[in-house]
Amino acid sequence: AQRVTQPEKLLSVFKGAPVELKCNYSYSGSPELFWYVQYSRQRLQLLLRHISRESIKGFTADLNKGETSFHLKKPFAQEEDSAMYYCALRAHSGAGSYQLTFGKGTKLSVIP
Amino acid sequence: EAGVTQFPSHSVIEKGQTVTLRCDPISGHDNLYWYRRVMGKEIKFLLHFVKESKQDESGMPNNRFLAERTGGTYSTLKVQPAELEDSGVYFCASSQDLQPDYGYTFGSGTRLTVV
Repeated sequence: AQRVTQPEKLLSVFKGAPVELKCNYSYSGSPELFWYVQYSRQRLQLLLRHISRESIKGFTADLNKGETSFHLKKPFAQEEDSAMYYCALRAHSGAGSYQLTFGKGTKLSVIP
Repeated sequence: EAGVTQFPSHSVIEKGQTVTLRCDPISGHDNLYWYRRVMGKEIKFLLHFVKESKQDESGMPNNRFLAERTGGTYSTLKVQPAELEDSGVYFCASSQDLQPDYGYTFGSGTRLTVV
C-alpha cells in the first residue's frame, strides 16, 4: 500500500527566508504527486502537481524517484504563504478508481 | 461556476444519534469523492461515486456509514449511530474526469463533533 510522510507537523520561518516542506512517499508503481494547500478558513485547493513541473505562487516541487521525495520549496517566504500544506499521492485503487493518499500535513507559519 | 458545496459546515451531535452530511458537486462532474480527517490523522479516502454508482467504497470504515447519490447529482453521507471516533472533518470532492490533470475540487468540509 502507498504511504505519504510529511515529517514536520509545524514549520516556522521568517519572511524572506527560504522554505522547504518535506514529503516522502512509498509506492510500488509510478507515482503521481500533488501538493494541496489550505489557507485559514478556506477549502483545500491544489497548489501544484509533479507532472506539470510548474511554479505556482513561487513554489516548486521536484519529484526525486531515487529518494522517493517530492519536497515543496520557495526561495523567499511571504506572510500570505502561512497555511496548511498537504502532500498527496494519487494511485489506482484496483476497483476502477483513483484515490488520493495524503500526508498528515505541515503547518507553515511565516513570521513577519 | 459554483464550487463544491457541503452542508452543514458544522454539526455537534450526541453519541448514538444520526447525522446526515450533504455534498453538492460541481454541475456536470460525474465523479464524487468523500474523504475525512479524524483528529491527528491523515485525510483518508472513504468512497468514490461515478454518477449514481459506487465505484469504490473500500475506505468506508464500517456499516454505520451509508453513502448515497441518487440521480447522480448531490450525495449524502449518513452516520448511524454516531460514535465518538467519528468526530472529524468530512470532505467532499468532485471531478469531471476519472484522473484529472488539475486534481480534484474540494468542498469546505463538514466538521462533525460527536459528544
